[in-house]
Amino acid sequence: AQSVTQLGSHVSVSEGALVLLRCNYSSSVPPYLFWYVQYPNQGLQLLLKYTSAATLVKGINGFEAEFKKSETSFHLTKPSAHMSDAAEYFCAVSVPNTNAGKSTFGDGTTLTVKP
Amino acid sequence: EAQVTQNPRYLITVTGKKLTVTCSQNMNHEYMSWYRQDPGLGLRQIYYSMNVEVTDKGDVPEGYKVSRKEKRNFPLILESPSPNQTSLYFCASSLKAGVPGELFFGEGSRLTVL
Repeated sequence: AQSVTQLGSHVSVSEGALVLLRCNYSSSVPPYLFWYVQYPNQGLQLLLKYTSAATLVKGINGFEAEFKKSETSFHLTKPSAHMSDAAEYFCAVSVPNTNAGKSTFGDGTTLTVKP
Repeated sequence: EAQVTQNPRYLITVTGKKLTVTCSQNMNHEYMSWYRQDPGLGLRQIYYSMNVEVTDKGDVPEGYKVSRKEKRNFPLILESPSPNQTSLYFCASSLKAGVPGELFFGEGSRLTVL
């Protein structure tokens, strides 16, 4: 069965500082991996996805993530935090042709950006 | 505009009073799913549908029903709501069933059961 663990339910950074949100996955076969962002009172929207092509994936709003098979990780980074990045972030894993391609989500990490 | 529309966005009801949360997508997506979001628990799948007339249980289906009579609509039915179903509910859709792809989410429906 596939699963995702997000380390740290709350992360706080200063504006302009590096953002690092951690995600580790468990899957018996090569997975697809996703990061979603949820702004207050909104639904989730896709930030970026890994689908077995390039291991370094670039997404919207300056975010990127690197797939590391040896570490079973897919950490999300952004070089310089902006106030508008304050939101909740979810990592998700999905496996082709398993459970109808279901996405399994982590518990989420709330990012706070201090001025 | 491509979107997933849920209604109502907010609802307060009482124990045992049947309610339906509607979900509609305009992207001709095959796959639709309902999730509930609770603090510290992330998103948990309630039911999903791979196509018209094809539905299946997710991880937390107890107390819920769904139907998929048309491709665009996937309503969530609570026959006899209880306080433990107080939650934030999201409908989501994806282009193809069985193929992992981007999920498009509605804006959520916040349900309170007294």
